[in-house]
Amino acid sequence: DAGVIQSPRHEVTEMGQEVTLRCKPISGHDYLFWYRQTMMRGLELLIYFNNNVPIDDSGMPEDRFSAKMPNASFSTLKIQPSEPRDSAVYFCASSILGQPQHFGDGTRLSIL
Amino acid sequence: QKEVEQNSGPLSVPEGAIASLNCTYSDRGSQSFFWYRQYSGKSPELIMSIYSNGDKEDGRFTAQLNKASQYVSLLIRDSQPSDSATYLCAIDSGGYNKLIFGAGTRLAVHP
Repeated sequence: DAGVIQSPRHEVTEMGQEVTLRCKPISGHDYLFWYRQTMMRGLELLIYFNNNVPIDDSGMPEDRFSAKMPNASFSTLKIQPSEPRDSAVYFCASSILGQPQHFGDGTRLSIL
Repeated sequence: QKEVEQNSGPLSVPEGAIASLNCTYSDRGSQSFFWYRQYSGKSPELIMSIYSNGDKEDGRFTAQLNKASQYVSLLIRDSQPSDSATYLCAIDSGGYNKLIFGAGTRLAVHP
């Protein structure tokens, strides 16, 4: 079975540009999570969805960040405008209620 | 106070020894506990889940949970160099399938 699929794997862009990260959850999973990982702050939950509806976005750092889930098989995380401090690895994970989360390979984002 | 505490390490053990990784948490309502392994440059990979007090064994791995002490641990028997990684402890928060991760413990197994 296919796991969680994220794209792109690497993104390098200049400060001020819009960045869009994409995620396809495991088929049948009704929870989707976006995380950010840095050396300083570890793995942080940004936002999560249940049945395509955002449940908790308290981890979204500021208004420059937005996330959508238009259907059960696709989600995006956008940063506009991007800043160097947004550089991190962004992970998407999915799960079924009560079951462990499965992570994608992540997107390594570098903002110059 | 952090919700999930782990010693950052590095924890260095010789090959063949038992590695003991520990985690404490603050939310007494937590019901689900997980250990993830993360190799450098890779994504977290689930290795153990535990839901009730006591021990749960899976191959060389044993997870131990003590809800009264708010403590969960992971034992790795016969440690191998390939076990060298960062181990993340995670607990559910509020019963909404939302996980809180510890900062992770870096394990180094040397030949």
